[in-house]
Amino acid sequence: QVQLVQSGAEVKKPGASVKVSCKASGYTFTGYFIHWVRQAPGQGLEWMGGINPTSGGTNYAQNFQGRVTMTRDTSISTAYMELSRLRSDDTAVYYCARGDVVSIDYWGQGTLVTVSS
Amino acid sequence: QSVLTQPPSVSGAPGQRVTISCTGSSSNIGAGYDVHWYQQLPGTAPKLLIYGNSNRPSGVPDRFSGSKSGTSASLAITGLQAEDEADYYCQSYDSSLSAVLFGGGTKLTVL
Repeated sequence: QVQLVQSGAEVKKPGASVKVSCKASGYTFTGYFIHWVRQAPGQGLEWMGGINPTSGGTNYAQNFQGRVTMTRDTSISTAYMELSRLRSDDTAVYYCARGDVVSIDYWGQGTLVTVSS
Repeated sequence: QSVLTQPPSVSGAPGQRVTISCTGSSSNIGAGYDVHWYQQLPGTAPKLLIYGNSNRPSGVPDRFSGSKSGTSASLAITGLQAEDEADYYCQSYDSSLSAVLFGGGTKLTVL
């Protein structure tokens, strides 16, 4: 069965960076796009961008351009999302999700990132 | 403010039917991009509920149905059950933004 298992919760100080991992199993990793979506406390879903695991090509949402970097390691079927220059309003649950370029089918369990001084 | 507009909340009594709308524009839903719906139970990750406007993944009850017309889409839930109480999100793609879009989400309360 398709599984996306994310790394554990993180606590970071303002200005720092965070890197979240997403290990895929149960399907061919290079056959599907990996999206990153975040959800601030009590808020809705916000798409951050995505990566084509085959080519490594990325598409970042305008709001995150210059602060987010998405990468992958096909040898271990794992995708990564790094967000830099963290602010308090980056406190959120970060999800990885599988799909094609325009849609999502399976979601990871989420990773809580807390930004606090 | 989301590009895809959903009502913040809807409610209904057990057994009733409710609908949740999702309104977009000519660069997303109106451009022919499919609409997908996700259900998010409290404290859990979203789950795909409807894909390709009106298709249900295996395991999703047929009480859930989706439709699309023009620049809008709708999710209908019939025979409401207490376990349907959740947040529901629509999703599409915008060609002008080259971005995946989510609606702002709708909280369903079962009275």
